Amino acid sequence: SAVISQKPSRDICQRGTSLTIQCQVDSQVTMMFWYRQQPGQSLTLIATANQGSEATYESGFVIDKFPISRPNLTFSTLTVSNMSPEDSSIYLCSVAGGLKGEKLFFGSGTQLSVL
Amino acid sequence: AQKITQTQPGMFVQEKEAVTLDCTYDTSDQSYGLFWYKQPSSGEMIFLIYQGSYDEQNATEGRYSLNFQKARKSANLVISASQLGDSAMYFCAMREMDSSYKLIFGSGTRLLVRP
Repeated sequence: SAVISQKPSRDICQRGTSLTIQCQVDSQVTMMFWYRQQPGQSLTLIATANQGSEATYESGFVIDKFPISRPNLTFSTLTVSNMSPEDSSIYLCSVAGGLKGEKLFFGSGTQLSVL
Repeated sequence: AQKITQTQPGMFVQEKEAVTLDCTYDTSDQSYGLFWYKQPSSGEMIFLIYQGSYDEQNATEGRYSLNFQKARKSANLVISASQLGDSAMYFCAMREMDSSYKLIFGSGTRLLVRP
């Protein structure tokens, strides 16, 4: 499985500010995925990030709120913009792996608290 | 529509005993993958085991095995010889292979291992 590093691991932010989360993979991957886990909930896919094209967002998530960059095949960033307390969540990046790319692995996550 | 159901919000198990975590799924696709992840209090999502819908053998990974009953649409996780470090949230998830890499997660089961 790929080694997936996320930064920061946790942060406490003020309302109205923005935070950029970084995801670094130790091998080249075509697609990277960003998930959100709100407190006490399971994970929800925010968007799929392909290198060289615009990210594809799931219903309920928009680019203005969650801009994503994918400058190369090993790196992606997710920005949480104009934060409110409702954005307090764990944010995780994910990549496909396994012999046929059938398995999905996650980074260590970013625990975000918005005051 | 895809759906994952985990009916056990919480489970207790005695150290060194085996425990089964239930998961049922609903899909109209023939090709899909089933996953189990472990989430400790640190928030990371740790991949445990994967079962493809066409795999004839039940998947095993060390102390983890997946009891796959396709006709019943169930994919229960069996943890043998429980350890204190197994205390965590466990999520069952599904991916339809012919559409996207989007994972649909269940609500999770919190497992506590008693010494």
